[in-house]
Amino acid sequence: GQSLEQPSEVTAVEGAIVQINCTYQTSGFYGLSWYQQHDGGAPTFLSYNALDGLEETGRFSSFLSRSDSYGYLLLQELQMKDSASYFCAVSGATNKLIFGTGTLLAVQP
Amino acid sequence: EAGVTQFPSHSVIEKGQTVTLRCDPISGHDNLYWYRRVMGKEIKFLLHFVKESKQDESGMPNNRFLAERTGGTYSTLKVQPAELEDSGVYFCASSRGVRETQYFGPGTRLLVL
Repeated sequence: GQSLEQPSEVTAVEGAIVQINCTYQTSGFYGLSWYQQHDGGAPTFLSYNALDGLEETGRFSSFLSRSDSYGYLLLQELQMKDSASYFCAVSGATNKLIFGTGTLLAVQP
Repeated sequence: EAGVTQFPSHSVIEKGQTVTLRCDPISGHDNLYWYRRVMGKEIKFLLHFVKESKQDESGMPNNRFLAERTGGTYSTLKVQPAELEDSGVYFCASSRGVRETQYFGPGTRLLVL
């Protein structure tokens, strides 16, 4: 079967750095994506990793280790507006996204 | 460039009724996906269109769900007859190419009473 695991909740303070981990079990792995969702609205694409290593996009970075079936999303210089749910999702041969259950990030002042 | 739009934003219907959800993808995006999130669960794939053809419908829960994409533009997802367990948020996403980023719409919140 296919499954993804990520922490259900993470709390951090403004200005801090937070890392959200994602481990996966899937067949036909092609890449790992991260999406942000505010208040149940449209999931917004953040980043994508197909190869091992770190991808940086502004304050957000994403890492993938294919051999460990593991990735993480790193958020730096946290802001209150970063409070949201974050989902990792794997894509395989058919390109459908298999989502994790999401991590609720609470940023405190 | 306009994003993915979905209509209606909310729908409340009674068990046994029919509901049709609509998705307008980003212009020029050949790939259109339907997903749904049932309360407390993860977002789950329903099906994938490439233009007007169903590429993958492995996630469709049963034959009460019918998706169409006539003309390869907008898509509709009909639930007939609706059951209580169909309640949830139905998301549509589109991408230009198969391996390209999927952009999601705001979702339709369906409540079946």
